[in-house]
Amino acid sequence: NAGVTQTPKFQVLKTGQSMTLQCAQDMNHEYMSWYRQDPGMGLRLIHYSVGAGITDQGEVPNGYNVSRSTTEDFPLRLLSAAPSQTSVYFCASSYIGRNYGYTFGSGTRLTVV
Amino acid sequence: GQQLNQSPQSMFIQEGEDVSMNCTSSSIFNTWLWYKQDPGEGPVLLIALYKAGELTSNGRLTAQFGITRKDSFLNISASIPSDVGIYFCAGHLLFTGTASKLTFGTGTRLQVTL
Repeated sequence: NAGVTQTPKFQVLKTGQSMTLQCAQDMNHEYMSWYRQDPGMGLRLIHYSVGAGITDQGEVPNGYNVSRSTTEDFPLRLLSAAPSQTSVYFCASSYIGRNYGYTFGSGTRLTVV
Repeated sequence: GQQLNQSPQSMFIQEGEDVSMNCTSSSIFNTWLWYKQDPGEGPVLLIALYKAGELTSNGRLTAQFGITRKDSFLNISASIPSDVGIYFCAGHLLFTGTASKLTFGTGTRLQVTL
């Protein structure tokens, strides 16, 4: 089925470890983004990309890196995990230039101990 | 950054009741979107509104784009147990150029009792 695929679904990290959250879409969407969801905070934008080779920071970018080498993939890297990064992470994609709603992945639940 | 105030934060209703929730912003948007999130899943788009004053329905759901472009509401009629979840409003502002971002409200958690 077409859509946004996120892996892994669950992850536990120790403080200071690094990891990459994967996101892939097969809808040829130009725009991809990462959000984190915390209780009572809604969805906050971490990083976004408007196409291969182009990325920019969102509202809460500190502690995260992204790259966009292909249209399909938009991985999110945690360089040195901290307990404050315990959250549920969602990847979303859409076309650009039209007011289409985003398509979201099913999320990655990350716990940093 | 921009803030979307969504209310109520949570609500408990009985099956068959109508539900109303709203979202207000300090900034104008050119699109309002309403999403529903089921437990363990990502948000799914329910309704999209593209111009001020627009009223759009999707089954038992009705949403309106406020005239001032700074607010929107969502109504659910005759609620059923599967309406349980978190409802998010989102404002979509097309920046100059090609980038576009969504700003999300903090969500309304809906629980339906039999």
